[in-house]
Amino acid sequence: KAGVTQTPRYLIKTRGQQVTLSCSPISGHRSVSWYQQTPGQGLQFLFEYFSETQRNKGNFPGRFSGRQFSNSRSEMNVSTLELGDSALYLCASSLLAGEPVYEQYFGPGTRLTVT
Amino acid sequence: AQSVAQPEDQVNVAEGNPLTVKCTYSVSGNPYLFWYVQYPNRGLQFLLKYITGDNLVKGSYGFEAEFNKSQTSFHLKKPSALVSDSALYFCAVRVLSYNTDKLIFGTGTRLQVFP
Repeated sequence: KAGVTQTPRYLIKTRGQQVTLSCSPISGHRSVSWYQQTPGQGLQFLFEYFSETQRNKGNFPGRFSGRQFSNSRSEMNVSTLELGDSALYLCASSLLAGEPVYEQYFGPGTRLTVT
Repeated sequence: AQSVAQPEDQVNVAEGNPLTVKCTYSVSGNPYLFWYVQYPNRGLQFLLKYITGDNLVKGSYGFEAEFNKSQTSFHLKKPSALVSDSALYFCAVRVLSYNTDKLIFGTGTRLQVFP
């Protein structure tokens, strides 16, 4: 099976712009989560989606949003980019949500640089 | 609140020697504990998990972890380190509820294995 794929892998944007990142989960996986990784804050939870519904959101401003499609693919959007949004954005998929026996598998991430 | 602590920013070990990467946790309810490894410019790779059952959990690449409920610890171990084990290691607790499924990560420990 193909792993979790994320596009694009690298992105450079300017402050004030918006950006959309894409995540394709492992085939058959229905749960998708997003995490932000920065040197200062480490790995932080952004959102969790299951069956096209956002079940939970981390402590991030409203500029961060996301969605999940019927094929389980997910996108996240960041509007009005700030320098502090520069980070590695990781997507993870799991067969089902809320079942610890099914671990989360991570994609390679999208490296976003805001200048 | 659920949390994970990795007290060491870096662990140095000689190739062939045993290694230990420490992790302690604080959770309410059942602890679902995970170890992930991150290589440069890569996403997180799942190593092993503790859900229930035997306190000694075996995972990928010869790694194992010991769950200790009384000490609230979940240390990662390997009997004989390889140079290729050099990477960033994250301990995580999985938080589950009726509307939440997310990983809370420790700050990470950089493992350096010297030839």
